Amino acid sequence: SQTIHQWPATLVQPVGSPLSLECTVEGTSNPNLYWYRQAAGRGLQLLFYSVGIGQISSEVPQNLSASRPQDRQFILSSKKLLLSDSGFYLCAWTGGGAIETQYFGPGTRLLVL
Amino acid sequence: EDQVTQSPEALRLQEGESSSLNCSYTVSGLRGLFWYRQDPGKGPEFLFTLYSAGEEKEKERLKATLTKKESFLHITAPKPEDSATYLCAVQAWTGRRALTFGSGTRLQVQP
Repeated sequence: SQTIHQWPATLVQPVGSPLSLECTVEGTSNPNLYWYRQAAGRGLQLLFYSVGIGQISSEVPQNLSASRPQDRQFILSSKKLLLSDSGFYLCAWTGGGAIETQYFGPGTRLLVL
Repeated sequence: EDQVTQSPEALRLQEGESSSLNCSYTVSGLRGLFWYRQDPGKGPEFLFTLYSAGEEKEKERLKATLTKKESFLHITAPKPEDSATYLCAVQAWTGRRALTFGSGTRLQVQP
């Protein structure tokens, strides 16, 4: 069966510091991968998605970037964090094809102080 | 632009008191409508996918239905463990692959 991992689970970072969040998927190959951010009491906002290694699409211009160095690895980064980057970051995957149900990871809670 | 509106924002029920959550959507060609359950501090857990008007799906005390403009998540005789935020999302046939989410309905079931 497929499993999706995210780490760290919780992160507290000062403003201006760099960021690296990691997401990995097990039990599948060539997944489509997604990064979402969820603000408190709000819906999920898509940040980036990837259909393959090195292929990244950005949905919202912002302080963040994404990379996909391996088939089942998706990384969310920032060179300098802003207070507004605080939130709950979720990674999701789909198998592609006709069925596009997205399965989510456990999430990373980021607090920028 | 695809849009999803969920109501109510919050709902408090007594154990055994059945109710429905609403998800109204606007999308340029519906590919799928998705329901998720999210517990505090955790990632959304997939519940259902609906593809066409008239379709219904059930899982334990939950039943999801779909029309051309909205979806309902019916909760029959809920239990305290059904307390969670329920998220609705849509995916269109054209354009972006990702889901457009509503803000969710926070459900609290009291014993």
